[in-house]
Amino acid sequence: DSGVTQTPKHLITATGQRVTLRCSPRSGDLSVYWYQQSLDQGLQFLIQYYNGEERAKGNILERFSAQQFPDLHSELNLSSLELGDSALYFCASSVGDGIVEKLFFGSGTQLSVL
Amino acid sequence: TQLLEQSPQFLSIQEGENLTVYCNSSSVFSSLQWYRQEPGEGPVLLVTVVTGGEVKKLKRLTFQFGDARKDSSLHITAAQPGDTGLYLCAGVQPGANSKLTFGKGITLSVRP
Repeated sequence: DSGVTQTPKHLITATGQRVTLRCSPRSGDLSVYWYQQSLDQGLQFLIQYYNGEERAKGNILERFSAQQFPDLHSELNLSSLELGDSALYFCASSVGDGIVEKLFFGSGTQLSVL
Repeated sequence: TQLLEQSPQFLSIQEGENLTVYCNSSSVFSSLQWYRQEPGEGPVLLVTVVTGGEVKKLKRLTFQFGDARKDSSLHITAAQPGDTGLYLCAGVQPGANSKLTFGKGITLSVRP
């Protein structure tokens, strides 16, 4: 058990819909990262928050947004969903935001867009 | 084009065999990490290497960071079925802070 909690574990929805994925980091970790994993693209970095502020941005679509709340949990919002958004979405956390950080990953949310 | 190329993509071996897999790039990395991911779970960090030429051992696993900090290898001695999984390398480029870029991974299957 990594200590990172992601909910829900599975999500099935239709094209055009909006969903929210939730992540609770390990106790004491200030950074939260979101990744998307698909068979063809592998694990793609989406966005990072550190202590409530956006710290780094990756290949995140404009239809996607995220935030980190004062209690440090994070939510990833996906809107106007398309078939291609079907993937595993992982949240990870780390203590800081330095060059060498040990990331702890949650078990992921499997999103299926039908 | 993938920043980190991992090879081979798939590997199926018999228990007890040795193997080496690779993670290559044309770019320099400040640090490089190896993770193992099992089905239905998130990746789990195995090792972090930061110095060119560095070698780290984790039981039967040996990790090496290339002298130029552009590539890395993972050698497993006497593989066991419990080593089965997806092995991912990930690197941080200079100036990219904590933005970790992953390779697509190597799927390893160790047959009993």
